[in-house]
Amino acid sequence: SYVLTQPPSVSVAPGQTARITCGGNNIGSKSVHWYQQKPGQAPVLVVYDDSDRPSGIPERFSGSNSGNTATLTISRVEAGDEADYYCQVWDSSSDRVFGGGTKLTVL
Amino acid sequence: QITLKESGPTLVKPTQTLTLTCTFSGFSLSTSGVGVGWIRQPPGKALEWLALIYWDDDKRYSPSLKSRLTITKDTSKNQVVLTMTNMDPVDTATYYCALFIAAAGTGWFDPWGQGTLVTVSS
Repeated sequence: SYVLTQPPSVSVAPGQTARITCGGNNIGSKSVHWYQQKPGQAPVLVVYDDSDRPSGIPERFSGSNSGNTATLTISRVEAGDEADYYCQVWDSSSDRVFGGGTKLTVL
Repeated sequence: QITLKESGPTLVKPTQTLTLTCTFSGFSLSTSGVGVGWIRQPPGKALEWLALIYWDDDKRYSPSLKSRLTITKDTSKNQVVLTMTNMDPVDTATYYCALFIAAAGTGWFDPWGQGTLVTVSS
C-alpha cells in the first residue's frame, strides 16, 4: 500500500512562512491535494492538483510537488491558519490515501 | 450551494452493522465526473478514506476494510448509503461524506459534510 508521511507538527511565528511536507515514493508523479481542518470542524480543501486553489482560498496558500516530496506553503501566516493539514493522493494499489496529518501551530 | 449531511445512529454495539446515510443537495450524482466518498476520523487521529461511489455506479473501497463495507446510491433521493458490518470499538470515529471531483486519474473531496460521531460500545 502507498504511504504518505507528514511531520506531526510545524510551528511558525505570525507573518512568517510555513512549509508542510508530504512524503511518498515518487509522489511527484501523482496529483496531491491538501485539506485544512480546524478543531471541531470538517476538513476544507485548500489546494488541489498539486498547486491549484479552490475559489475563496487565499493566495497565501500554495503547493508544489516534485520527486518524493510535496509541499504546502502558507505565506504570511495568520493566527487563523492554525489547524491540522492533510495531504491526499490516488494510488493504484490503495486508491484514495491520506497522510497522517500535520498540526500547524502559530506561535 | 453544495451541501452534504450525514445521518445515522450515534451509538452501535459491537458486532452490529452500521448504516449511515449521506443526503446532499446542489449537485446530481448522475453528472459525469462526480462521486460521493466516505471518510472517517477516530478521535484525535488522522483521516481514513473508506469508500467512494462514482456517477456511473463504479464503487471503490479501502483495501483494508473492503470485506466490511458496502456503498450504494439513490440518485432520485440524492442519497448515498454506507454500511459497515461487524462493528468494533476501534471503529469509533466521526464519519464524513464528501463530494468527490474526478479528474484524469485523480480527484479530490470538496466540500465535506459536517460529520457524525459514531461510538461503538456495549
